[in-house]
Amino acid sequence: EDQVTQSPEALRLQEGESSSLNCSYTVSGLRGLFWYRQDPGKGPEFLFTLYSAGEEKEKERLKATLTKKESFLHITAPKPEDSATYLCAVRGNNAGNMLTFGGGTRLMVKP
Amino acid sequence: GAGVSQSPSNKVTEKGKDVELRCDPISGHTALYWYRQRLGQGLEFLIYFQGNSAPDKSGLPSDRFSAERTGESVSTLTIQRTQQEDSAVYLCASSGTLARDTERPNYGYTFGSGTRLTVV
Repeated sequence: EDQVTQSPEALRLQEGESSSLNCSYTVSGLRGLFWYRQDPGKGPEFLFTLYSAGEEKEKERLKATLTKKESFLHITAPKPEDSATYLCAVRGNNAGNMLTFGGGTRLMVKP
Repeated sequence: GAGVSQSPSNKVTEKGKDVELRCDPISGHTALYWYRQRLGQGLEFLIYFQGNSAPDKSGLPSDRFSAERTGESVSTLTIQRTQQEDSAVYLCASSGTLARDTERPNYGYTFGSGTRLTVV
C-alpha cells in the first residue's frame, strides 16, 4: 500500500524566512510525485510533478526536489501570499491512475 | 468547460437524509475521481472512473456511498442515510487519458472547488 507522510503539519514563517517542507513516501514503483497548493475553501491546485530521483522543478519562490524516499518543497524568501496548505501525493505501479495524498503542511507566512 | 465544476458548493442536511453531489469534469477528460477531505486532514480516495471501464470503488467507506458517471461527462456521488461522520469536503478531479503506464502527464489532476457537506 502506498503511503505518504508530510512534515511538519504546520509551519509559521516570517516573510523572507526560507524553509523546506518534507514529504516522505513508500510506493511500489513510483510513477510520479505531485505537489499541490490548497487555499482555504478551494480545491488543490497543481504545482509540480517529479518522476525520478535527482529531478528538480522550480516555479517562482518554490523548488521541489526528489530522492528515492522523500521530496522537499523549498520556499525561498516567502511572502504572505504563499500562505496555504501544501499537499504531496504519489502514484505507484499498483494504483492505476489513483493518487495517494499526504496530510499536508499548513504554511503561514507573517508579514 | 474551462475547469471542474462541482455543485452545490455547500450542503447542510439532517442526519438520515440522502444527498447527491454533482461533478462536471473538464471536457475531454476521460478520468474522474472523487476524494473526501475531513477538516484539517488530507485527501481520502473514494472512487475513480476511467472511460467505459468498471469504476474503482475500493475507497468507498460503506454501502451508503455510491457514484455514477454518464459516459465521459457528469458524475454524481450519492450518500444515503447520512451520518455526522460524513461531514467533510467532497472533492472531484478529472484528468486526461493515460494510454500507457509510461505516459507522463505533467498536470496530475485538476480539482474542483469541492462541496462542503455538513450533517446536523
